Amino acid sequence: QSALTQPPSASGSPGQSVTISCTGTSDDFGTYNYVSWYQHHPGKGPKLLIYGVNKRPSGVPSRFSGSKSGNTASLTVSGLQAEDEADYYCSSYADSRNFVFGSGTKVTVL
Amino acid sequence: EMQLVESGGGVVQPGRSLRLSCAASGFTFENHAMHWVRQAPGKGLEWVSGLTWNSVFIAYADSVKGRFTVSRDNAKNSLYLQMDSLRPEDTALYYCVKTFGDRTFDVWGQGTLVTVSA
Repeated sequence: QSALTQPPSASGSPGQSVTISCTGTSDDFGTYNYVSWYQHHPGKGPKLLIYGVNKRPSGVPSRFSGSKSGNTASLTVSGLQAEDEADYYCSSYADSRNFVFGSGTKVTVL
Repeated sequence: EMQLVESGGGVVQPGRSLRLSCAASGFTFENHAMHWVRQAPGKGLEWVSGLTWNSVFIAYADSVKGRFTVSRDNAKNSLYLQMDSLRPEDTALYYCVKTFGDRTFDVWGQGTLVTVSA
């Protein structure tokens, strides 16, 4: 149950886009498309941004989008805003009711 | 509003036990699988354990298997985590998490801090 691999950091100026990758093995992702992304501000509980690879829950802005190709999932934040500065985690349902998280990426808005 | 409130954290010596609780409100608790996720200081999120709505299927991370026991009381809208044989590496903020479709963590509590130290 090793963590999925994410870059430790990413940054962009307001209005720019940033893409975060999340790489695992075929065992991590399996044949499922249960990849989720979470935004975590310090002192708060994480917030669901994307589920099922590319679906957005109600209330999440459309500038957050997800995709997956092979064993790499990606989160793109378009039109960066100051409030987007946070830690971001991917997660996948592995199998046998087990879940695995990514190592986390700190996004800085310059 | 859906809400999860954890309690029971504290400072405990290595080898001792602690029981965490999570009180759920604002949704039909008995319809959803529930999980515990933790975050050690300066580290990322780590899935700990989870169980289905009827407790038929229960799973644990390898790091806690045999030491932690997850349970729920649907009549009390509550989730529990019994933590035995605690180790310093179990020090973390423990989050109670609701699932959506059994595969997505959609509602998170604020967490309760567990510190294992002599």
